[in-house]
Amino acid sequence: GNSVTQMEGPVTLSEEAFLTINCTYTATGYPSLFWYVQYPGEGLQLLLKATKADDKGSNKGFEATYRKETTSFHLEKGSVQVSDSAVYFCALRAPTGANNLFFGTGTRLTVIP
Amino acid sequence: SQTIHQWPATLVQPVGSPLSLECTVEGTSNPNLYWYRQAAGRGLQLLFYSVGIGQISSEVPQNLSASRPQDRQFILSSKKLLLSDSGFYLCAWSVPGLNTGELFFGEGSRLTVL
Repeated sequence: GNSVTQMEGPVTLSEEAFLTINCTYTATGYPSLFWYVQYPGEGLQLLLKATKADDKGSNKGFEATYRKETTSFHLEKGSVQVSDSAVYFCALRAPTGANNLFFGTGTRLTVIP
Repeated sequence: SQTIHQWPATLVQPVGSPLSLECTVEGTSNPNLYWYRQAAGRGLQLLFYSVGIGQISSEVPQNLSASRPQDRQFILSSKKLLLSDSGFYLCAWSVPGLNTGELFFGEGSRLTVL
C-alpha cells in the first residue's frame, strides 16, 4: 500500500540553524511527492513538490530531493527564520490515483530568536 | 481569487449527538472536494471526495457521511458521534481534471467528542 513516514516532532531550532525533516515513503510505482506547510491559524498549503526520481523541489529557501533508491524526500533549509515556525506534512500521490494524497503525521517546527 | 472556508472552527460535542461540518469554496466552478481527518498521532486520512454534485466517494468505512448539495458546498455529517470521531477535520479542493496533487485547504475544524 501507500504510506508516508515522517520525523516525529516537535523540532525546536534557533534562528539561522540548519533544518532537516526526514520523510520516507512506501508506494507502488512512481508516486509524486509533496511537502505541505500549515502556518498557525491557516490551512495547509503546498510548499514544494517533485514528480519523478532525482527531481528537486524548492520554494522559500526549502528544498527536497526525490530519492527513489532510499524512498525518501527529506525537507531541508539552510537557515531557518522565526517565520518558518509551522507544521510540515510530507505527502505522496499514487501514480494511478486522482488527487488522493497520503499524508504523514506532520512535524511541528518552532524557531526561536 | 479562490477561497475556501469551513466552519465551525472548534466544536465540543457529547457522544451520541449529531454532527454537521460545512465547507464552501468561492471563485471556482465544479471543484473536486475532499474531507480529511487527522486523529491524534496520525497522519491526515482521506475520508471522502467528490467530483460533482451528489457524487461522493468514501475512502474509509465509518460513522460519518458526506453530501454535496451544491457545486461548491461540501458537508460532513454524523447521526451519532463516537469518541473516536474526535480529531481535526480539513476540507480541501482541487482544480478538476488537473491531477497535479495540489490541494487547497481550509483552516480546519477541531472536533472534541466527550
